[in-house]
Amino acid sequence: DQQVKQNSPSLSVQEGRISILNCDYTNSMFDYFLWYKKYPAEGPTFLISISSIKDKNEDGRFTVFLNKSAKHLSLHIVPSQPGDSAVYFCAASRGTGGGADGLTFGKGTHLIIQP
Amino acid sequence: EPEVTQTPSHQVTQMGQEVILRCVPISNHLYFYWYRQILGQKVEFLVSFYNNEISEKSEIFDDQFSVERPDGSNFTLKIRSTKLEDSAMYFCATLLSGQSYEQYFGPGTRLTVT
Repeated sequence: DQQVKQNSPSLSVQEGRISILNCDYTNSMFDYFLWYKKYPAEGPTFLISISSIKDKNEDGRFTVFLNKSAKHLSLHIVPSQPGDSAVYFCAASRGTGGGADGLTFGKGTHLIIQP
Repeated sequence: EPEVTQTPSHQVTQMGQEVILRCVPISNHLYFYWYRQILGQKVEFLVSFYNNEISEKSEIFDDQFSVERPDGSNFTLKIRSTKLEDSAMYFCATLLSGQSYEQYFGPGTRLTVT
């Protein structure tokens, strides 16, 4: 049961260009979304998040867009840098448990930044 | 910057043996979690823990699993009788409060069951 879907297993982008990673979800109860970045042999690192009451959140080179009606979110990285090469996970929370809720993750997208 | 730590980094055990995975949460965080990632698959939620009791658990978290925070510092995951399919990366995560959502993950323990 894939409640959070990342349909692109990998994405290759040239250094300096924009990287766009996509995520779709099916559970209408999700109301908070997070992006994590993961290097091999490390744990996921929190990157940026967005509440369902917003449609955009920006932090430096990273911007997350949420289209609630389409149940779709995307992460934009601009400009892309070699250090951005990693696996990116989209995660969602129901936000109703006051901290009890576990995150539901997508399968991840492996972003490769080419020089 | 405070971080979540986990020990050991790699644990090899024989099928049927008990294992205990340890996590030291970020000091002022109140919620603790365990997740696992089987090779090639997505990160899956196992259990959340708050105020010394389980808050929520997934269907994966059956009677073979238990969690505790015995000394107010370490947060542990015990697997009573390991199976081959328990081989995975196990991640501990922590959350500052019930008003936040950003969980911070440790580096993981790779469990190999032979």
